[in-house]
Amino acid sequence: DTGVSQNPRHKITKRGQNVTFRCDPISEHNRLYWYRQTLGQGPEFLTYFQNEAQLEKSRLLSDRFSAERPKGSFSTLEIQRTEQGDSAMYLCASSFARELFFGEGSRLTVL
Amino acid sequence: AQTVTQSQPEMSVQEAETVTLSCTYDTSENNYYLFWYKQPPSRQMILVIRQEAYKQQNATENRFSVNFQKAAKSFSLKISDSQLGDTAMYFCASYTLNSGGSNYKLTFGKGTLLTVNP
Repeated sequence: DTGVSQNPRHKITKRGQNVTFRCDPISEHNRLYWYRQTLGQGPEFLTYFQNEAQLEKSRLLSDRFSAERPKGSFSTLEIQRTEQGDSAMYLCASSFARELFFGEGSRLTVL
Repeated sequence: AQTVTQSQPEMSVQEAETVTLSCTYDTSENNYYLFWYKQPPSRQMILVIRQEAYKQQNATENRFSVNFQKAAKSFSLKISDSQLGDTAMYFCASYTLNSGGSNYKLTFGKGTLLTVNP
């Protein structure tokens, strides 16, 4: 399968715990994006990588959030000291040109 | 900043009929792209159709077509011969370079939930 892969698909955690999501993009894609989607809303941009460089971060990305893309391949999104407001679907997408290809998302539930 | 507005939270259509989903956008850029993405229930988002802003001709992909009105900043999606499998959230999105000229970002509307009834 050469699509965008995200793991875990669903994570339930207690408030205050740290969580990490992983995204494996389509192999030849140099751009990688993280979006957050809450129920009934459109995806909101969080951050964007071109190769290993993180080129833009949204104001939505508080200092509890950190994203990395070592070696320009897979990416991780870590949320420290989770809060109930962090409950959402976290979408990863990759691209080479204009079209973004999305993964199935990682759903976070913070209790 | 880019904004994308979808004013129809929900719509429904009978199977085999035609439906049009509305979208307006706002951007100060001249070079941009517009997209409609489909997100079926509990499934990943997939691209339905794409329009380059510099092209005057409306894009068409099989049963899906757009009405791109650049001056009005309007980008509606028409689905002909609706099928049950078209039931999904539909998101309008715009894609431009940021002000620095090097970063690309997709901005989404809030979506329209389309239900196709048998």
